[in-house]
This record gives sequence, C-alpha cells and structure tokens, in this order.
Amino acid sequence: DAEITQSPRHKITETGRQVTLACHQTWNHNNMFWYRQDLGHGLRLIHYSYGVQDTNKGEVSDGYSVSRSNTEDLPLTLESAASSQTSVYFCASSGAEGQGTDTQYFGPGTRLTVL
Amino acid sequence: RKEVEQDPGPFNVPEGATVAFNCTYSNSASQSFFWYRQDCRKEPKLLMSVYSSGNEDGRFTAQLNRASQYISLLIRDSKLSDSATYLCVVTPSTSNYKLTFGKGTLLTVNP
Repeated sequence: DAEITQSPRHKITETGRQVTLACHQTWNHNNMFWYRQDLGHGLRLIHYSYGVQDTNKGEVSDGYSVSRSNTEDLPLTLESAASSQTSVYFCASSGAEGQGTDTQYFGPGTRLTVL
Repeated sequence: RKEVEQDPGPFNVPEGATVAFNCTYSNSASQSFFWYRQDCRKEPKLLMSVYSSGNEDGRFTAQLNRASQYISLLIRDSKLSDSATYLCVVTPSTSNYKLTFGKGTLLTVNP
C-alpha cells in the first residue's frame, strides 16, 4: 500500500546544531508539505513543493529549508536549531490536478526537542 | 478575522449524544472544505470533504454555507471512539493546493 513515512520519529538535539527530518511518500504525489504543530497555534505551514526542483516558503519558514530532488522525498533542514523550534513536525502529500483530489495525507510526525 | 476559526471546546458529551461543531472562514474565494480528525499525539486524518449541497457519511453530516462562510459537522449517536480533535480545513482556491487549518475542537465522549 502507498504510504508516507517520517524519520526519525523522535529527536533530541542541542541549540545550534543542524538537523534534517526525512519525509518519504510512495503515493507518487507531486505536492508535498511540511507543517509544525504547537499548542495554541494549530498546524502551520513551513515549506511546500509542487514538484521536483520546486520549493516555496510557508507562513513560518524562517530557520528552515527544504529541497526536492525527486518525487518521493522532501527533507526538512533546520539550519541552526533553536529552542523555539521544539515542536511536532508533520509531512503531508497530495495529488496534483489530474492525479485526483487536493486531499492531503499526513505522515506520523516527528517530535523534535531542542535543548 | 482569522482565516479559519473554530470553537476550541472542549466538548464533553455522553455516549449516544449528538454534537455539532462550527467553523467560519474569512476567504470568500475558498474552494474546498474538509473536516480532519486528529487523535492525541497522532497525525491528522481526513474525516470527510464538505460539499455545497451538504453530505453525510454514516453518523457524520457536514454542511457548507458559502453566503455565511460557515461550515458545520454534526455527529449523531456519539461513540467513545469519536473522542478526538476535529480540524476544520479550507483550501484557498482551486489553483493552490495549500490547506489552511483551524486550531481544532476537542471532543471527549464519556461512558
């Protein structure tokens, strides 16, 4: 069955370190998204991609970057981790026009703690 | 006005009760509407899409009022397993696959 996976599921790191969170989907979806979820804020969009070599900033992109070298993967990098980036991170994907609906399917999430 | 607003709850209801959630959105050009469900410490999952004519899926009924920019979700005969956070979700336009999420409404169904 097609799926979307994230790794690691839990990560503890120190302030200033570079961290990369992986997201891999086998839906063959063109669109991929990264969100963070914090109490009181709900899900907020960090970055998104509509296809290979395409990346776009979301509403909370500062301190984060993504790259899309193939259809299946959209890794999220925290260039220099800060305590304010302690959060739960969700990756999601959806089919482009012609591939179906804009319904997004979410990965299981990564809990990141920055000490 | 926030893009998507929901009553945060919590809603505490007994098994078998009927409960309704409401949601308003600010962008009148919004095209697609969804309800997602999120269990504690889990990822959001699509519960149902919301169509202009209203739609029903078993015990769940979703309605859309474009004139009032209002979406609702009705759950009949609540089950313990319905306990979760319900997220109201809106797509700004057909050419934009991004979703805007409400903060969610927490429902607890008690025995």
